[in-house]
Amino acid sequence: DAGVTQSPTHLIKTRGQHVTLRCSPISGHKSVSWYQQVLGQGPQFIFQYYEKEERGRGNFPDRFSARQFPNYSSELNVNALLLGDSALYLCASSHPTSGGRLQYTDTQYFGPGTRLTVL
Amino acid sequence: AQKVTQAQTEISVVEKEDVTLDCVYETRDTTYYLFWYKQPPSGELVFLIRRNSFDEQNEISGRYSWNFQKSTSSFNFTITASQVVDSAVYFCALSEEMDSSYKLIFGSGTRLLVRP
Repeated sequence: DAGVTQSPTHLIKTRGQHVTLRCSPISGHKSVSWYQQVLGQGPQFIFQYYEKEERGRGNFPDRFSARQFPNYSSELNVNALLLGDSALYLCASSHPTSGGRLQYTDTQYFGPGTRLTVL
Repeated sequence: AQKVTQAQTEISVVEKEDVTLDCVYETRDTTYYLFWYKQPPSGELVFLIRRNSFDEQNEISGRYSWNFQKSTSSFNFTITASQVVDSAVYFCALSEEMDSSYKLIFGSGTRLLVRP
């Protein structure tokens, strides 16, 4: 079975531009989470979506938004790019193991990431 | 506040040496889950293990072993007889429950370099 896929692999943008990153979860997984990983640091949580609804949001500005589609794929959008948005953006998918409810016990499986460079 | 600390920024060993990666966590929860992920140069985070706070038994999987000690809030990872392919950044993470979801809180990672 295919793992989590993300596109594009790399992206170069300039300050002020907008970017859209895409993610397809593992087949059968209905939850997608997004993380930002700045060079030299651990990933930081941005969003979690489940059944097409936003279920959790990290400490990121409103320039960051996301959505999940009926096929459970997801897009992360970032407006008005800043130099500090340069990072590896990771998507993770998971599937509730208990009663169809998101649980902190669920394992998240990550994709290869999209490396965004803002000049 | 929930926090994960990986004090070792970088470790360098020679192939076949044993190496232990430290992870210390802080949490206000009585039940929680801990994870280890491996990040090779390709960037993808590879899931290695999940451990719940109720189970303090050590776990071994091939050359990998994990030592969970609730009393010291530590979840250390040991690679026995290291190989060059083990070179990667390793992250320890704590699962934090939110209102209707959850998130992973990661440490800053330990870069392991295994030299031939």
